[in-house]
Amino acid sequence: DVKVTQSSRYLVKRTGEKVFLECVQDMDHENMFWYRQDPGLGLRLIYFSYDVKMKEKGDIPEGYSVSREKKERFSLILESASTNQTSMYLCASSLWGTGNSYNSPLHFGNGTRLTVT
Amino acid sequence: GEDVEQSLFLSVREGDSSVINCTYTDSSSTYLYWYKQEPGAGLQLLTYIFSNMDMKQDQRLTVLLNKKDKHLSLRIADTQTGDSAIYFCAVEDGNTGKLIFGQGTTLQVKP
Repeated sequence: DVKVTQSSRYLVKRTGEKVFLECVQDMDHENMFWYRQDPGLGLRLIYFSYDVKMKEKGDIPEGYSVSREKKERFSLILESASTNQTSMYLCASSLWGTGNSYNSPLHFGNGTRLTVT
Repeated sequence: GEDVEQSLFLSVREGDSSVINCTYTDSSSTYLYWYKQEPGAGLQLLTYIFSNMDMKQDQRLTVLLNKKDKHLSLRIADTQTGDSAIYFCAVEDGNTGKLIFGQGTTLQVKP
């Protein structure tokens, strides 16, 4: 079974802090994704990566950056955390594609709930 | 771009059927998906339907697709308390190929 591990379940940070959210997958998947989940808004894609050192913006990249130095690890960085970035952050991976094929679905981590005060 | 809409909340009694509905705007999606999120966990792929199908049944789950009305539904027969979760429909955006998720429907199952 694919395992996607997010390093923290809960984080509390102060406004202006630099925040790193880490994600590791163990199935040699090509693609990795960072989503943000907010009540009533569903999941929104922040950034994704098709390969090491490659990244593409999703629908809401403002205020975020990412790093993929190794295939198995995809980090989400909040350069200067703000209160409107308080949310649940979900990392996902897929063998290939964007999760748009049934034989390469998205596999999600359990999420990191970030609170910015 | 693609827009996917779901109602936010559904409450049923244990043993009843649950029907979760989803509407979408872009009809070019090849596959349409239902994901399930249990409390404290990430999303898991529950089932999917190919766009040239009207119905797909998988044990207690029935997926219905009405392409003309751009309407997708998930029926859970004999709903159990373990079915309590958030259910997301997801549809491919024909322009970008990315999955677009609905807002999620919280299913509450009362004993």
